[in-house]
Amino acid sequence: DSGVTQTPKHLITATGQRVTLRCSPRSGDLSVYWYQQSLDQGLQFLIQYYNGEERAKGNILERFSAQQFPDLHSELNLSSLELGDSALYFCASGGSSYNEQFFGPGTRLTVL
Amino acid sequence: GENVEQHPSTLSVQEGDSAVIKCTYSDSASNYFPWYKQELGKRPQLIIDIRSNVGEKKDQRIAVTLNKTAKHFSLHITETQPEDSAVYFCAPMEGGGSQGNLIFGKGTKLSVKP
Repeated sequence: DSGVTQTPKHLITATGQRVTLRCSPRSGDLSVYWYQQSLDQGLQFLIQYYNGEERAKGNILERFSAQQFPDLHSELNLSSLELGDSALYFCASGGSSYNEQFFGPGTRLTVL
Repeated sequence: GENVEQHPSTLSVQEGDSAVIKCTYSDSASNYFPWYKQELGKRPQLIIDIRSNVGEKKDQRIAVTLNKTAKHFSLHITETQPEDSAVYFCAPMEGGGSQGNLIFGKGTKLSVKP
């Protein structure tokens, strides 16, 4: 157990819908990273937050957005969902003075 | 941005043999080089990492070696066991800071035959 929690574990929804994925980092970690894992694209970095502020952006679509709250949990919002958004979404957390990132169990999103 | 290549894509070994997976990267500013193990349907698990101020690090049957000049690092697993079967990812950190996003290789599927 990495200490990073993600909810829900599974999500099944229809095209055009909007969903919110939630992540709570390990105690003491200030950074949250979101990654998408799909069969064709592999594991791809989406976005990073550090202590409530956006720190870095990767290949995140404009239909996707994220935020980190004062209690340091983070939410990833996916809107106007398409079939191709079906994937495993992981968050990872990291500390402020070292490099390690620890992954949560992931949310499996299925868009029908 | 960082380009990461990982070889081989699949590796099959007999139990007890050694396995080596190589990763090349392009960002000369990268200073952190982790390896992750992922079992089917589960989260990537950090198994070993190395920073650019050392050339080798060992943890029981697992070791990582780094050649910064050539921009590659390798995962070595000795005395492989069936439970080592999984997909392994290298994920060098982009940029030279203490925090940054990981750029994952495409993975190596390791099968250890009993």
